[in-house]
Amino acid sequence: DAKTTQPTSMDCAEGRAANLPCNHSTISGNEYVYWYRQIHSQGPQYIIHGLKNNETNEMASLIITEDRKSSTLILPHATLRDTAVYYCIVLYSGAGSYQLTFGKGTKLSVIP
Amino acid sequence: DGGITQSPKYLFRKEGQNVTLSCEQNLNHDAMYWYRQDPGQGLRLIYYSQIVNDFQKGDIAEGYSVSREKKESFPLTVTSAQKNPTAFYLCASSVRQFTGELFFGEGSRLTVL
Repeated sequence: DAKTTQPTSMDCAEGRAANLPCNHSTISGNEYVYWYRQIHSQGPQYIIHGLKNNETNEMASLIITEDRKSSTLILPHATLRDTAVYYCIVLYSGAGSYQLTFGKGTKLSVIP
Repeated sequence: DGGITQSPKYLFRKEGQNVTLSCEQNLNHDAMYWYRQDPGQGLRLIYYSQIVNDFQKGDIAEGYSVSREKKESFPLTVTSAQKNPTAFYLCASSVRQFTGELFFGEGSRLTVL
């Protein structure tokens, strides 16, 4: 699986959009980009995933660049409850060996 | 409500004792996983099981054992061979094999004294 690079930490004002970047320059054509978040001392929560096209659900939007070497997770109106560690993960989804690898992620702090 | 239940939430054990962490899911998911998390670190995969009666080692399987006798249950035993067992342990499940959409439990925090 391709490696990812994320900033260690970010701040965002409550009510503003939070834009969390992720670099995955070695991603291959059949690898998906997944995003999870983990609130302190809880299990991670799946947010969204995508392959090529931008995706949106009730939690967030995922913007993937045309060359697929980077992506941005957007929380449109951040609240205090969005304070968490956000993980960007690249995963080959197909038959064979399987690993969803969580790095250190980005610690997002939403500030009142 | 469907979900994943891990127990116990907190566990203290003496060095050299085996410990079994429970993970039960009522989501009718085929695949289940165990991860370990140390303070300030990401998650590391210990074992995973794609179907009943089958499981594979992850990155850090040494000192751990699992079983998958029922679809709903995937217990993890931390043996005395695990050199540094104090950690936060997370169980997860997914609908099918080879998907990245996992549902996690609330975790079990093991402290070895």
